Amino acid sequence: DSGVTQTPKHLITATGQRVTLRCSPRSGDLSVYWYQQSLDQGLQFLIQYYNGEERAKGNILERFSAQQFPDLHSELNLSSLELGDSALYFCASSSGLAGSDTQYFGPGTRLTVL
Amino acid sequence: AQKITQTQPGMFVQEKEAVTLDCTYDTSDPSYGLFWYKQPSSGEMIFLIYQGSYDQQNATEGRYSLNFQKARKSANLVISASQLGDSAMYFCAMRDLQGSARQLTFGSGTQLTVLP
Repeated sequence: DSGVTQTPKHLITATGQRVTLRCSPRSGDLSVYWYQQSLDQGLQFLIQYYNGEERAKGNILERFSAQQFPDLHSELNLSSLELGDSALYFCASSSGLAGSDTQYFGPGTRLTVL
Repeated sequence: AQKITQTQPGMFVQEKEAVTLDCTYDTSDPSYGLFWYKQPSSGEMIFLIYQGSYDQQNATEGRYSLNFQKARKSANLVISASQLGDSAMYFCAMRDLQGSARQLTFGSGTQLTVLP
């Protein structure tokens, strides 16, 4: 158990809908990262937050947004869902911003868009 | 830009034998870190081992060791005394240690199967 929690574990929804994925980092970790894992794109970085502020953006679509709250939990919002958004979404956390800080991953949320 | 290449889509190893999973990388960053993660069929990503580009010695963590050859830009994972529970997908990843980017760049993974 990495100490990172993600809810829900599975999510099935229809095209055009909006969903929210939730992540609680390990106790004491200030950095939260979101990654998407799909069969065709592999593991891709979406966005990073540090202590409530956005720090880096990767291949995140405009239909996707995220935030980190004062209690450090984070939410990833996916809207106008398309079939291609079906993927495993991971949240990871690390203690700070040092490059050597290990990122610990949550169990992931498997999103299926029908 | 950083790039990780894992050329072995699948590998088989006999139980109790050692296995090497290949990873080569490309980066213009002078200081970087290399990570290996394991993803069992259940889906979670498990951190295994870390190597910094300026570390003098190869990293080891229990049965895992990292064969780091900086000049060749390779960071191969060695698993000794393979166990059935080692069957999983293994990902090599890297990140810049000095710049503002903190995200991991992942390779495509190697599916390891340990045979009884």
